[in-house]
Amino acid sequence: AQTVTQSQPEMSVQEAETVTLSCTYDTSESDYYLFWYKQPPSRQMILVIRQEAYKQQNATENRFSVNFQKAAKSFSLKISDSQLGDAAMYFCAYRSGLVGSNFGNEKLTFGTGTRLTIIP
Amino acid sequence: DAGVIQSPRHEVTEMGQEVTLRCKLISGHNSLFWYRQTMMRGLELLIYFNNNVPIDDSGMPEDRFSAKMPNASFSTLKIQPSEPRDSAVYFCASSFRDEKLFFGSGTQLSVL
Repeated sequence: AQTVTQSQPEMSVQEAETVTLSCTYDTSESDYYLFWYKQPPSRQMILVIRQEAYKQQNATENRFSVNFQKAAKSFSLKISDSQLGDAAMYFCAYRSGLVGSNFGNEKLTFGTGTRLTIIP
Repeated sequence: DAGVIQSPRHEVTEMGQEVTLRCKLISGHNSLFWYRQTMMRGLELLIYFNNNVPIDDSGMPEDRFSAKMPNASFSTLKIQPSEPRDSAVYFCASSFRDEKLFFGSGTQLSVL
């Protein structure tokens, strides 16, 4: 079974600064997807960024980027120019690449989350 | 599309009562997931369906929990009888094949 580990329960950063959230995972599969989800106090789960394992290029979405190290099974999230609205729980998640059939692989496995505080 | 719709948003009930949580999928989605979130255990997958068929229910805590998909766009999660340790936020999410997972706003369940 796949596991996802977030070793930082809490992080804080000054507004406008850069912060990196860590995530490691364990899998024997070669084809998979990795995600970062944001959960603000409103409770809504919001997809921040997605990375396909077969792509060497790191995914980027505006101020959010990832450092995907496949050999090390590491998937960190970098938030640049932090804003007050970035304050939330951040969850790293894994999904198998074997989808489109009834193999039962569409499910996401989540890490325990990192609570990010933005200091004004 | 209005997204994944869950109801109720909050539910407070007494131990022993039956609780039914509801979820409406996004039109065209064929996979449905029920997750439970607690401080102690984080986000846990309870069960998921593909094309209305339960694929993996290994996360369902015990026989008190049951989930159904009476049609392609609707699902229920039932707890009978409820217990205080069932208190959590229950999320429903849907997707289509390898597209991204869309979450509902969750149901905050409190069992007294």
